[in-house]
Amino acid sequence: AQKVTQAQTEISVVEKEDVTLDCVYETRDTTYYLFWYKQPPSGELVFLIRRNSFDEQNEISGRYSWNFQKSTSSFNFTITASQVVDSAVYFCALREHFGNEKLTFGTGTRLTIIP
Amino acid sequence: DTAVSQTPKYLVTQMGNDKSIKCEQNLGHDTMYWYKQDSKKFLKIMFSYNNKELIINETVPNRFSPKSPDKAHLNLHINSLELGDSAVYFCASSPIAGQSSYNEQFFGPGTRLTVL
Repeated sequence: AQKVTQAQTEISVVEKEDVTLDCVYETRDTTYYLFWYKQPPSGELVFLIRRNSFDEQNEISGRYSWNFQKSTSSFNFTITASQVVDSAVYFCALREHFGNEKLTFGTGTRLTIIP
Repeated sequence: DTAVSQTPKYLVTQMGNDKSIKCEQNLGHDTMYWYKQDSKKFLKIMFSYNNKELIINETVPNRFSPKSPDKAHLNLHINSLELGDSAVYFCASSPIAGQSSYNEQFFGPGTRLTVL
């Protein structure tokens, strides 16, 4: 069965510091998809990134970067030069290719950026 | 224009009542979902419909009944509401295989249900 673990329940950093959110997943499929979503205090779920299992290239988008390592089943998310607006709950999620299309979410990491 | 919309945004009701939450997507997607987020922020799939047919039912009590009148709508009806049903319910949709952004799920704004 698929499983996503976000071991960090809460993280607080001072503004402008870098922070990494960890995500470890389990799946029996050889093809799968990984996601990160942001949930700000307003409550909506904001899609950040999708990564396919066959594409291990890391990705950078502005201050955000993602490190995908199949060898350790991890898909970590780093925010560089954090800002107060980054304060949110961040969810990592997994979808198996041959599954029934559901997303399995981790328990989320609450990130607080201290001004 | 809103891609995935839900109504109502907030719903406060008494235990034992029956209520419905509506979801509509204007993205032309074939698959729609309902997720429940509990008070600890844990998100879990409840149902999924593909082109009006049920494809996922994750051991949700029979009091919950999804209905998809067409592929752009997936409504959630809840009978005999209980205190434990209090949560935020998210609707989502995703495109079919072959379309760009396949495998992404686009979420609605959520409906906060409070059962008193």
